[in-house]
Amino acid sequence: AQSVTQLDSHVSVSEGTPVLLRCNYSSSYSPSLFWYVQHPNKGLQLLLKYTSAATLVKGINGFEAEFKKSETSFHLTKPSAHMSDAAEYFCVVSERGGYQKVTFGIGTKLQVIP
Amino acid sequence: DTGVSQNPRHKITKRGQNVTFRCDPISEHNRLYWYRQTLGQGPEFLTYFQNEAQLEKSRLLSDRFSAERPKGSFSTLEIQRTEQGDSAMYLCASRVTGGQTGELFFGEGSRLTVL
Repeated sequence: AQSVTQLDSHVSVSEGTPVLLRCNYSSSYSPSLFWYVQHPNKGLQLLLKYTSAATLVKGINGFEAEFKKSETSFHLTKPSAHMSDAAEYFCVVSERGGYQKVTFGIGTKLQVIP
Repeated sequence: DTGVSQNPRHKITKRGQNVTFRCDPISEHNRLYWYRQTLGQGPEFLTYFQNEAQLEKSRLLSDRFSAERPKGSFSTLEIQRTEQGDSAMYLCASRVTGGQTGELFFGEGSRLTVL
């Protein structure tokens, strides 16, 4: 069984300050982990992915995430928030083999204050 | 563009009517997924295909819902006798089987409003 917990449903930051969106996962196997972003009335866009290579993963738009197996965490960070970062962010876990079941977190809505 | 394409993007219908959504995945992707997303929630899995075979259906997929992928390429999702509770964004995603990353590629979604 696998699950994803996004610890904050809403996060509000000022423009230019760091962003931290938290994600914890549970999986019976070594999973692949992803962060997706969704802007209003748009589909989901992949920000970054962890697939067992480097534990610090860099994505698009200056985002990065660190896979910490001991903490079963995959938190998303960005050093300096931009207004265009305001969106909903989803942490996703997927089995590597077989059916590759995919499970989404409930999402974290990021608000960026000018 | 060779991304995942969904249409229509928006559909407004009256309760009791039937609606059909179409998804065209990325051409070399043999796995296709349908998700439903309601306001303020994450995507919920509905069903998935490997080629033309429908391999799993969620309990969310009532008898009024049917999905097909007749030639292993595009897929359709039909909702019969729509209810107001069916109002949601219906997302389609595709990926390759056994790919190292397993990432899903999403379309822009089809938003359904049932009046």
